Amino acid sequence: SAVISQKPSRDICQRGTSLTIQCQVDSQVTMMFWYRQQPGQSLTLIATANQGSEATYESGFVIDKFPISRPNLTFSTLTVSNMSPEDSSIYLCSVRGGLTGELFFGEGSRLTVL
Amino acid sequence: AQSVAQPEDQVNVAEGNPLTVKCTYSVSGNPYLFWYVQYPNRGLQFLLKYITGDNLVKGSYGFEAEFNKSQTSFHLKKPSALVSDSALYFCAVRDRDSGYALNFGKGTSLLVTP
Repeated sequence: SAVISQKPSRDICQRGTSLTIQCQVDSQVTMMFWYRQQPGQSLTLIATANQGSEATYESGFVIDKFPISRPNLTFSTLTVSNMSPEDSSIYLCSVRGGLTGELFFGEGSRLTVL
Repeated sequence: AQSVAQPEDQVNVAEGNPLTVKCTYSVSGNPYLFWYVQYPNRGLQFLLKYITGDNLVKGSYGFEAEFNKSQTSFHLKKPSALVSDSALYFCAVRDRDSGYALNFGKGTSLLVTP
């Protein structure tokens, strides 16, 4: 299994600001996934980030709001732009663990927007 | 389209008793099925997966799950619950012919009482 580190682990942000979440993996991975977990809710896929190509966003998520970078095979960032209280969530980075597709997750970044 | 349903928001069980957390799925093709556990303020931990073969899958911490194709179910079980098993449990599915991202159920909170 991969070891995934996310920064920050938590933050309190002001409305209208932007925050960038970093995800570092201890091994090279092709696919990285960003999920959102709103309070008391399940996980929702934001986008898939492959190195060397533009991220693929799920319905309801747009690049202007959630820009993603994937500069190499061990690192990715997710920015939450122009935040509102509705963006208060846990944001989770994950990577595929093997051919059969189980995902491994970071500890998550808990954002609270005031 | 692929989806999972976890019909119970919460499951309560006494320590030492068997536990079952229910999950049903819907995919257009053959499924890969997964269970994850989330402890408070933590990321998701992979428990077990069904890919093919034996319908009874054994995983971490004494958990197992039974794949039932006719009932499209993948219930999580443990013969003897521990207080430390109290957590949030997520079922997830991926269609073998689709992308690698997982679709998660809404989660079931398991409470094991002494």
